[in-house]
Amino acid sequence: EAQVTQNPRYLITVTGKKLTVTCSQNMNHEYMSWYRQDPGLGLRQIYYSMNVEVTDKGDVPEGYKVSRKEKRNFPLILESPSPNQTSLYFCASARGGAYNEQFFGPGTRLTVL
Amino acid sequence: GQQVMQIPQYQHVQEGEDFTTYCNSSTTLSNIQWYKQRPGGHPVFLIQLVKSGEVKKQKRLTFQFGEAKKNSSLHITATQTTDVGTYFCAGPGGTSYGKLTFGQGTILTVHP
Repeated sequence: EAQVTQNPRYLITVTGKKLTVTCSQNMNHEYMSWYRQDPGLGLRQIYYSMNVEVTDKGDVPEGYKVSRKEKRNFPLILESPSPNQTSLYFCASARGGAYNEQFFGPGTRLTVL
Repeated sequence: GQQVMQIPQYQHVQEGEDFTTYCNSSTTLSNIQWYKQRPGGHPVFLIQLVKSGEVKKQKRLTFQFGEAKKNSSLHITATQTTDVGTYFCAGPGGTSYGKLTFGQGTILTVHP
């Protein structure tokens, strides 16, 4: 089954404790992206990757890092989480780029205390 | 940078009434995509519009792309309780093939 998976689905952590949210897709998509969703603000793009070893900033990259060492994986790293990073995070993948249909993962709800 | 505004933020309708959400971009879009997110779920792709003035239908849903390719709308005829959710429009950002800007979304509630 074609899908995007994220782990963990739920996470409660404390300020400053480094964490990684994993994202994996099995559709051989070149493009992957991370979003955060906050009430009233819609989905805001954090980082995206056009292909392996190619990443770039979205609209809200501050406080986040990503890497793309393999085509199927695109982890999101919060090196020193802060309460304002409490949010619902979605990973997405697509063939080619942002111009095509995006396939979203199930989401990760992160709470930073 | 590119901005995509979507209105209304909320819409409450009685089952059987029609519903429309509007999307406006600050820049000309190469295409516009629409997504639906059910409560507790993730966004799911509905459709993509590419041509100026394009109109596409999916059963009770009608999607339009403006002539200037800066605005779009989604109209649902005779809403059903299964239409409940948040509807988002999204437009690729400028000259970047990687940026995708979403509207704030319209939360649709349907009362039976």
